[in-house]
Amino acid sequence: GESVGLHLPTLSVQEGDNSIINCAYSNSASDYFIWYKQESGKGPQFIIDIRSNMDKRQGQRVTVLLNKTVKHLSLQIAATQPGDSAVYFCAEGRDSNYQLIWGAGTKLIIKP
Amino acid sequence: EADIYQTPRYLVIGTGKKITLECSQTMGHDKMYWYQQDPGMELHLIHYSYGVNSTEKGDLSSESTVSRIRTEHFPLTLESARPSHTSQYLCASSDFMGSRETQYFGPGTRLLVL
Repeated sequence: GESVGLHLPTLSVQEGDNSIINCAYSNSASDYFIWYKQESGKGPQFIIDIRSNMDKRQGQRVTVLLNKTVKHLSLQIAATQPGDSAVYFCAEGRDSNYQLIWGAGTKLIIKP
Repeated sequence: EADIYQTPRYLVIGTGKKITLECSQTMGHDKMYWYQQDPGMELHLIHYSYGVNSTEKGDLSSESTVSRIRTEHFPLTLESARPSHTSQYLCASSDFMGSRETQYFGPGTRLLVL
């Protein structure tokens, strides 16, 4: 069936380094992909999205890359800070309905 | 910060009890959702609504029901709580912004059924 999943459940990164969180998806019909950040005790929060006709999109300190050939999505966080500690989820969506398909999260741990 | 609220934040209850988890949003969004999430795991859609008097079941059968009598309110009811219902429940609402649907989440309700 359709699925969106992450390669690594936990990622430890030195403070100040760049973080790369990966996601694999199986449904090539998705129209967009979204990254969410979930801090402890809170609901997920939107970070950045990318349409399926794009390869790259940049936000503030974050970049999302989409490789449709291998159905791979990544989130890059520049100069990782302690406040970036959270679980990160990728999700895919279609314009034809309002539901998102969620992958398992990756926990990002920042080492001081 | 999204204006979506959930109560209670934490709930410990015995098996067989009936419980209602509250969710309210002040953004005027038509679409609302309930998800079940175990810690660090993916979100599973259990119910959603496209607007007043609209309710649909999601992928996960959770033995719960929802109602949508008012746009801003989307409560979730468990008629008879069981230990297998122990989880976190997240409520969300969404609108179409720019190029895609954006979901805004409440803080969640952590439920423990003894």
